[in-house]
Amino acid sequence: ETGVTQSPTHLIKTRGQQVTLRCSSQSGHNTVSWYQQALGQGPQFIFQYYREEENGRGNFPPRFSGLQFPNYSSELNVNALELDDSALYLCATRRLTLSTDTQYFGPGTRLTVL
Amino acid sequence: AQSVTQLDSQVPVFEEAPVELRCNYSSSVSVYLFWYVQYPNQGLQLLLKYLSGSTLVKGINGFEAEFNKSQTSFHLRKPSVHISDTAEYFCAVSGDSGSSNTGKLIFGQGTTLQVKP
Repeated sequence: ETGVTQSPTHLIKTRGQQVTLRCSSQSGHNTVSWYQQALGQGPQFIFQYYREEENGRGNFPPRFSGLQFPNYSSELNVNALELDDSALYLCATRRLTLSTDTQYFGPGTRLTVL
Repeated sequence: AQSVTQLDSQVPVFEEAPVELRCNYSSSVSVYLFWYVQYPNQGLQLLLKYLSGSTLVKGINGFEAEFNKSQTSFHLRKPSVHISDTAEYFCAVSGDSGSSNTGKLIFGQGTTLQVKP
C-alpha cells in the first residue's frame, strides 16, 4: 500500500466533454505529479504541483490543468476530451527532501473516451 | 533532454531461471534511476532506485540493478524468478536534486516479463 488513492476507478466520457480526476495522498506529501499511460506504453509526465503551484509541465496542451489543495489532495482536469485521451491516469506523490526522491503511485483512473 | 530505452519488449523465462531486463538512458545532466513494476490493472510499485553511492542497488522481491555510468545502463536482474514476478516492468530516469527536472520521471516503453512454469 502506497497510501495514495485515486477516484474514480473507471470513467467513460464522450468526445468534447470535460472530466475531473482526483488523487489523495499521505500527510506531508507536498508534491504531486500526474502521468498519462496509454495502452501498451510507459507513463508520460503531464505536470507537477508543489505547494499548490504548478512547477513543471510535460508536452501536454493547456486543456490539461490541475489543482493541489492544502489537505494533500489534488485534481486533474481535462477539457474538450479527445479520443486519444483514453488512457490510465496515474498520480504520484512525494515529500520533497534533499536526500530522497521516491514517488508513490496511486492505482490510477482508467478513462475511456467514446 | 532525457530518454529511456528498454531493449526488450517481452522476456519469456522459465520459473527459477535467472533474468535480466535491460535499460539504457540518455541525459545531459546527472540522474536518478528507477525500476517500477506494474501488475495487471494496478498502479506502479517501486522496485529499487539509484540516487548516488554504490552502483549495485538491491530492491524488493529479490531484484537488484547495477548503474553503469560509462555505458549509461541500469539493467535489472533477479537470480531466480517466480510465477508471481509476471508483470510489466518500467525503467525510469529523472534529473537529480540539482536539476530542474527532478521529480519528472521519464519512463521507458516497458518490458513484459512472462514467467512460465
